[in-house]
Amino acid sequence: KAGVTQTPRYLIKTRGQQVTLSCSPISGHRSVSWYQQTPGQGLQFLFEYFSETQRNKGNFPGRFSGRQFSNSRSEMNVSTLELGDSALYLCASWTGPEQFFGPGTRLTVL
Amino acid sequence: AQSVTQPDIHITVSEGASLELRCNYSYGATPYLFWYVQSPGQGLQLLLKYFSGDTLVQGIKGFEAEFKRSQSSFNLRKPSVHWSDAAEYFCAVLNTGTASKLTFGTGTRLQVTL
Repeated sequence: KAGVTQTPRYLIKTRGQQVTLSCSPISGHRSVSWYQQTPGQGLQFLFEYFSETQRNKGNFPGRFSGRQFSNSRSEMNVSTLELGDSALYLCASWTGPEQFFGPGTRLTVL
Repeated sequence: AQSVTQPDIHITVSEGASLELRCNYSYGATPYLFWYVQSPGQGLQLLLKYFSGDTLVQGIKGFEAEFKRSQSSFNLRKPSVHWSDAAEYFCAVLNTGTASKLTFGTGTRLQVTL
């Protein structure tokens, strides 16, 4: 079974731009979560989706948003990028308590 | 709110030596606990998990962890470290209350000397 895939793997953007990241979960998994990883803040929960519904959101500004499609694929969007948004964005999918992570998207904001 | 503490930021061990990485958690109910490993530039790979039952759990790559409720700990161990084990290790607790959200510790970077 294929694992969680994330595209693109690397992105470079400038301040003020917006970005969309994509996550394809493991086949059969309907739940997807997003996490941000930075050297200063570590791994922080962004949001969780199940069957196209956002079930929970972490403490991030409204510039961070997401959605999930009927095929369980998920996207997250960050608008008006700031330097501090530079991070590794990880997506996880699951059907039980275990969450399986993708390789991440490395976003660099210049 | 739940929290996870990994007191060791960086650990260096010699190849072939034993390893123990510490993890303490704070969670109101019976915790679901995990250890993940991350190699540079990669995502997180699940090493092992504890949900209930036997407090000593076995994982991949020869790792094991012991859940001690009285100490709120879930320490990761390996009897003999290999150079390829050099990576960052994260302990995490799952919030099964309002949503399935993982709370991670700050990680322990393992360096292996030859």
